[in-house]
Amino acid sequence: DTGVSQNPRHKITKRGQNVTFRCDPISEHNRLYWYRQTLGQGPEFLTYFQNEAQLEKSRLLSDRFSAERPKGSFSTLEIQRTEQGDSAMYLCASSRSTGFTEAFFGQGTRLTVV
Amino acid sequence: AQSVTQLDSQVPVFEEAPVELRCNYSSSVSVYLFWYVQYPNQGLQLLLKYLSGSTLVKGINGFEAEFNKSQTSFHLRKPSVHISDTAEYFCAVSGSLRTSYGKLTFGQGTILTVHP
Repeated sequence: DTGVSQNPRHKITKRGQNVTFRCDPISEHNRLYWYRQTLGQGPEFLTYFQNEAQLEKSRLLSDRFSAERPKGSFSTLEIQRTEQGDSAMYLCASSRSTGFTEAFFGQGTRLTVV
Repeated sequence: AQSVTQLDSQVPVFEEAPVELRCNYSSSVSVYLFWYVQYPNQGLQLLLKYLSGSTLVKGINGFEAEFNKSQTSFHLRKPSVHISDTAEYFCAVSGSLRTSYGKLTFGQGTILTVHP
């Protein structure tokens, strides 16, 4: 069990640029979640995948955000035309699909938009 | 809809003293409750969870929490803290798998600082 891996760990980008983050969940985990955490706040749910199907998206996920999980394994989160308000920690979590099991979190990608 | 309120944003305490971090939730349906810990620049690690059964839940690192349905609370406790417990702690709630897919709603966090 190598844990949930997120890359990159840090990303600094200029306003208006596009960025993409990657999440590699624990290998046998079917469920995958993305959360966003801003300074001084708890994580907020963004989106959920069951295998390759995106089953829920938060209203926080504006049309500049898109997430994919093409083969039900790794997932990517893309932000287009970044804004300073997008600066946050983006967390990925995964869990098994049988029953209610613990969600394991990655170390996150910290995005800074300048 | 569900929400979580962590009543203290910061809790300073001396080493070896007991500590309680307070959490209240609101939900119109049955809930599952969690406490996570986050060290600086790290992801979240599960301390303990309440799914059903005994209302007193024991977790890792000597932490425990008690589910109180009538008061809609899930306070975290440790009888004697260590310097290494200094971190941010998040209370979280989830609804049924069928409706919420296991997604978590978090509180705003409590920063626990343990002083020598």
